[in-house]
Amino acid sequence: DQQVKQNSPSLSVQEGRISILNCDYTNSMFDYFLWYKKYPAEGPTFLISISSIKDKNEDGRFTVFLNKSAKHLSLHIVPSQPGDSAVYFCAASVTSGTYKYIFGTGTRLKVLA
Amino acid sequence: GAVVSQHPSWVICKSGTSVKIECRSLDFQATTMFWYRQFPKQSLMLMATSNEGSKATYEQGVEKDKFLINHASLTLSTLTVTSAHPEDSSFYICSASATGGSEQFFGPGTRLTVL
Repeated sequence: DQQVKQNSPSLSVQEGRISILNCDYTNSMFDYFLWYKKYPAEGPTFLISISSIKDKNEDGRFTVFLNKSAKHLSLHIVPSQPGDSAVYFCAASVTSGTYKYIFGTGTRLKVLA
Repeated sequence: GAVVSQHPSWVICKSGTSVKIECRSLDFQATTMFWYRQFPKQSLMLMATSNEGSKATYEQGVEKDKFLINHASLTLSTLTVTSAHPEDSSFYICSASATGGSEQFFGPGTRLTVL
């Protein structure tokens, strides 16, 4: 039972354009969401997070949008840079108890120069 | 700040042997540590949650007798893969949460290859 899904396994974007990565979840108890960037054989690197009390959070080139009614969040990267090429994971958490993260299936982003 | 290390970064072992992986929080005290496993081109799957001084809580489908977790101090958790088999070959990643905090800080991972 995959509670967090990223339906696009891969995405290619031209340098300078916007990259939009999507994530859907099924558990309505999730109230905290995160995006991570990951290279092969390395640990994930935190990018940005959002609490369920917000619908948007922005940090530099990265913006996360949350649509609670649709149980959907997205990460926008603009402008995209070749260095952004990596696998991106969304994660969801319930901020009570153990705060464990449930990760999505990942989207491989390739930014073309 | 908030650095988490793992040792070793990679290990190759023979089938049937046991392998220990260490996870350390270098500049903070971690009440809770998490262990994940990632197979190639798949998601990070949470294996277990460990709290300092108490038994780990394992996710459904994870054998606690095979994956022994010890969290004896506020800066160190260990994962021992007992009687390893080739299907245990994977990338193991730990994370740590500071005392009183919720954010997880991830280690660089350990690549285990069982021959």
